[in-house]
Amino acid sequence: DTGVSQDPRHKITKRGQNVTFRCDPISEHNRLYWYRQTLGQGPEFLTYFQNEAQLEKSRLLSDRFSAERPKGSFSTLEIQRTEQGDSAMYLCASSFLTGVLDEQFFGPGTRLTVL
Amino acid sequence: DAKTTQPPSMDCAEGRAANLPCNHSTISGNEYVYWYRQIHSQGPQYIIHGLKNNETNEMASLIITEDRKSSTLILPHATLRDTAVYYCIVRAYNNAGNMLTFGGGTRLMVKP
Repeated sequence: DTGVSQDPRHKITKRGQNVTFRCDPISEHNRLYWYRQTLGQGPEFLTYFQNEAQLEKSRLLSDRFSAERPKGSFSTLEIQRTEQGDSAMYLCASSFLTGVLDEQFFGPGTRLTVL
Repeated sequence: DAKTTQPPSMDCAEGRAANLPCNHSTISGNEYVYWYRQIHSQGPQYIIHGLKNNETNEMASLIITEDRKSSTLILPHATLRDTAVYYCIVRAYNNAGNMLTFGGGTRLMVKP
């Protein structure tokens, strides 16, 4: 399968714990995005990378959240001191910017439950 | 990016055409209309996009009104597998970033 993969698919943690999610984009894609989706809502943008550079961060990305994309390949999203409000689906997408389209390919997501 | 308005839900009979409307009355001249869909428990999937001309691909057709203030996504022969949430997104192209701004979408239920 050459699509976007995310690991783990599900994560249950206790409030106050740290969690880390991984995203492996499609190999030739230079852009990588993180979104968060709560139940019944559309995905909300968190941050994006072009190669290894983090170019934009949403105001939703509090200082407890950090994302990295070393060497411009896979990316990790870490949440420190999790809160119940962090419970959501975390989606990763990748794209290769060519002209207008910039079609984003999404992974299956990591569902986080904070108890 | 311009805001979009979609009906929260629609039903469609299997085999019939599904016509999903979207209003984007504040769209700017450099903004494109994109459609994505999200099948239950999956990430969103790109369907089609357009600027001002009607577009068609293997998945769907996109009809944009002449004043560009609204558009319709057409699934010509809906199947049960087309049951999903459909998002209409208006977005300008620029090199600074192309994040997608999702609204609530339309939940399409295709019924046998």
